[in-house]
Amino acid sequence: QLVLTQSPSASASLGASVKLTCTLSSGHSSYAIAWHQQQPEKGPRYLMKLNSDGSHSKGDGIPDRFSGSSSGAERYLTISSLQSEDEADYYCQTWGTGSWVFGGGTKLTVL
Amino acid sequence: EVQLVESGGGLVQPGGSLRLSCAASGFTFSSYWMHWVRQAPGKGLVWVSRINSDGSSTSYADSVKGRFTISRDNAKNTLYLQMNSLRAEDTAVYYCAREASSSGEVDYWGQGTLVTVSS
Repeated sequence: QLVLTQSPSASASLGASVKLTCTLSSGHSSYAIAWHQQQPEKGPRYLMKLNSDGSHSKGDGIPDRFSGSSSGAERYLTISSLQSEDEADYYCQTWGTGSWVFGGGTKLTVL
Repeated sequence: EVQLVESGGGLVQPGGSLRLSCAASGFTFSSYWMHWVRQAPGKGLVWVSRINSDGSSTSYADSVKGRFTISRDNAKNTLYLQMNSLRAEDTAVYYCAREASSSGEVDYWGQGTLVTVSS
């Protein structure tokens, strides 16, 4: 079964960097994913598509501070030079036959 | 500029029906697969349903199969979700979302419409 696993929470200081992780279930390590950001009381926003080889393509207007990387079944989102507006929920998403799968989301707190 | 604007949400009693709409603009609507995703209060994103570009193929999450129907009118650039036999657990913000061309990820989201199922 295709499942995405995310840590429920993460925190980092203003101006620092943070790396969020999304883990694909066994047998699905070749799958691409997408990262999405949801700021408080707002709809989600597409950040990027991330392939298994670490290559990624970002959505319109996404700053260079956001980048992605991959290792095996792990997919990472790195945010550098953290700003207060980066405090949000971050979801990974992938796709199977005719359906989408979302991770449970990581709540990022900027200290 | 791509825009997806949902409407039709509101308060409905258990067992009732509601039809959501999503008006699309800024792109060739008829070329894209579209999805509905929902988010219960304080919870994460959950995929609900998908329709292909010409409306000939649909799929649903098990939790809504047989109760919800996704459809589209490409002449009106509008996506729909007909929701019947609504339950309290269907209470959520419903987002329409565009699937990226020749790929599988969401690349644009609407702002959402709230559906509350309560007596």
